Amino acid sequence: GAGVSQTPSNKVTEKGKYVELRCDPISGHTALYWYRQSLGQGPEFLIYFQGTGAADDSGLPNDRFFAVRPEGSVSTLKIQRTERGDSAVYLCASSPLVVATGELFFGEGSRLTVL
Amino acid sequence: AQSVAQPEDQVNVAEGNPLTVKCTYSVSGNPYLFWYVQYPNRGLQFLLKYITGDNLVKGSYGFEAEFNKSQTSFHLKKPSALVSDSALYFCALKGGGSQGNLIFGKGTKLSVKP
Repeated sequence: GAGVSQTPSNKVTEKGKYVELRCDPISGHTALYWYRQSLGQGPEFLIYFQGTGAADDSGLPNDRFFAVRPEGSVSTLKIQRTERGDSAVYLCASSPLVVATGELFFGEGSRLTVL
Repeated sequence: AQSVAQPEDQVNVAEGNPLTVKCTYSVSGNPYLFWYVQYPNRGLQFLLKYITGDNLVKGSYGFEAEFNKSQTSFHLKKPSALVSDSALYFCALKGGGSQGNLIFGKGTKLSVKP
């Protein structure tokens, strides 16, 4: 497809489990972003990549959260020892390059529910 | 601290009437401002942006936004609302220190009735 693809679309897990969320950006987009959207709130920045490196991870809430983008394309957001408060929709976006004037192209999100 | 506020949780408009969705911001330096729309079960879509230049910015689907520096506002407008405009609208601000860090408002639900 031509858009940003996120899998799984829904993930239900138990407290304490490990979770991986995958993002496949638009082909050729060098910048990739992760946001988290809790119910009734706007998206909250987590991390963004320029190529393979994390250029800004200041939004990651704690060390249970980690993201990689080893080949500069697909990215995986990893959450260890999940907590009920991690329940949210995790959004991935990409853009042709990291510029403040550019628009972000968002996927439909991965809804995570931690029981 | 930099922030975005959308004071209305919901805006109700009759089809054919003009609509306004409000956004105010707080930032040090020049703001880069954006509007995104989220339709049910769809990803966020870019509508328009203000970087510099004309205070009236035109975007997708007939939407426009007016940048007002003295009032620190960036309200979204459309002259004639459509039922299909019903969606969740987010105002966003580029945060300082990071090219990738957009700060989003809480969102405003727009409901357009026939």
